[in-house]
Order: sequence, then structure tokens, then C-alpha cells
Amino acid sequence: KAGVTQTPRYLIKTRGQQVTLSCSPISGHRSVSWYQQTPGQGLQFLFEYFSETQRNKGNFPGRFSGRQFSNSRSEMNVSTLELGDSALYLCASSLAGGAPSYEQYFGPGTRLTVT
Amino acid sequence: AQSVAQPEDQVNVAEGNPLTVKCTYSVSGNPYLFWYVQYPNRGLQFLLKYITGDNLVKGSYGFEAEFNKSQTSFHLKKPSALVSDSALYFCAVRDSLTGGGNKLTFGTGTQLKVEL
Repeated sequence: KAGVTQTPRYLIKTRGQQVTLSCSPISGHRSVSWYQQTPGQGLQFLFEYFSETQRNKGNFPGRFSGRQFSNSRSEMNVSTLELGDSALYLCASSLAGGAPSYEQYFGPGTRLTVT
Repeated sequence: AQSVAQPEDQVNVAEGNPLTVKCTYSVSGNPYLFWYVQYPNRGLQFLLKYITGDNLVKGSYGFEAEFNKSQTSFHLKKPSALVSDSALYFCAVRDSLTGGGNKLTFGTGTQLKVEL
């Protein structure tokens, strides 16, 4: 079974631009979560989608948004990029959204650099 | 609120020696606890989890973890370390009282270095 895939793997953007990152979960997984990883703040939860609905949201500004499609694929968007948005963005999928015992499987991440 | 602490930024151990990576947690309800490992330029790989039941859980690559409710700890262990175990290890928790969903709170990570 294929793992979680994320595209693109690397991205360089300029301050003020917007960016869209894509995540394809493991087949059969309906929950998709996004995390931001930076050296200073570590791993921080952005949001989670299940059945095309946002179920949880972390403490990030409204510039960060996401969505999930009917095939469980997910995208996240960051508008008006700031230098501090430079990070590794990780997507994780899980078998079911209502069962907290299910572990999450992570993709390789998208490395975003804002200049 | 749920939180996790990993008190050691780095742990050094000789190959063949046992290793322990420490983790303590704080939750309001019951904890669901996870360990992940991250190699350079890679995503996180799931190692093991504690949901309920036996306090000693076994996971991938010979790792195990011991859940201690009174000490609110979930330390990762391996009887005999390998150089290839050198990586960044994350402990994560989810509180049973946070409702549905998969929001995990991660510790700051512990860099494990195994030397010959």
C-alpha cells in the first residue's frame, strides 16, 4: 500500500505570495491532519479534516486554510506569505477520525522557504 | 489542555548499550500516547502507541515503551542500541477528553546519537 504523498517536496516563494500544498492520504484513510515543523516552535498542529469537514483547528492565523476533497485528498493554502512561514509542512493520515487510538501516518513533508 | 515534555534535547549512548528516551505528559482525561522517529529530510515514522491495557508496549525495530500512570511518563526504551537508531524522536499525546479528532500534541523532540 502506498504511503502518504505530498507535493511539491520543495517550494520557494516570495513574501506576500500565496502557496498551495497537496496531500494524498493512504488509501482508505479518511482523516487528514496538517502540522508545521520549525526549529523554533517544533511540531505544531494546524488543522484536521475528516469527510471533507474541518474537525479541529490549531492556533494559527486565518492566512492558513485547508480543504479536503471527496477522495480524501487534502490541500492547505497559505496566503500573504511571511518569512516566518518558512517550515516543513507535514501531512498525516489516519484510518478513522472518530477513533483516537488510530495512529497517524506521515508524509515526507513539503519544505517551504519564503524569501 | 494536553501537553508533552521531553526533558532531554540529546541522548548519547554507545552501540550495544540500552537506551532510554524520556517523556512525560499532562492530560485531563486518559492519555493516548505515541512515539515517532524522524530521520533527516524525512517525515515522521510511527514506532508504537499506548491506548490502554498492558503498561509495556512493544513497537517497531525492537523499541518498547513503558507507561507509568502515577508518574505520567511514557519512556521509550531499547535493550541494545544500533548506530542506525540515531535520529530525532518525538513523543506525542492525545487527551481522551478533547472529543473526536486526531489532534496530537508533540514534545520538542530528543536527538538520539548512538556511537560505535
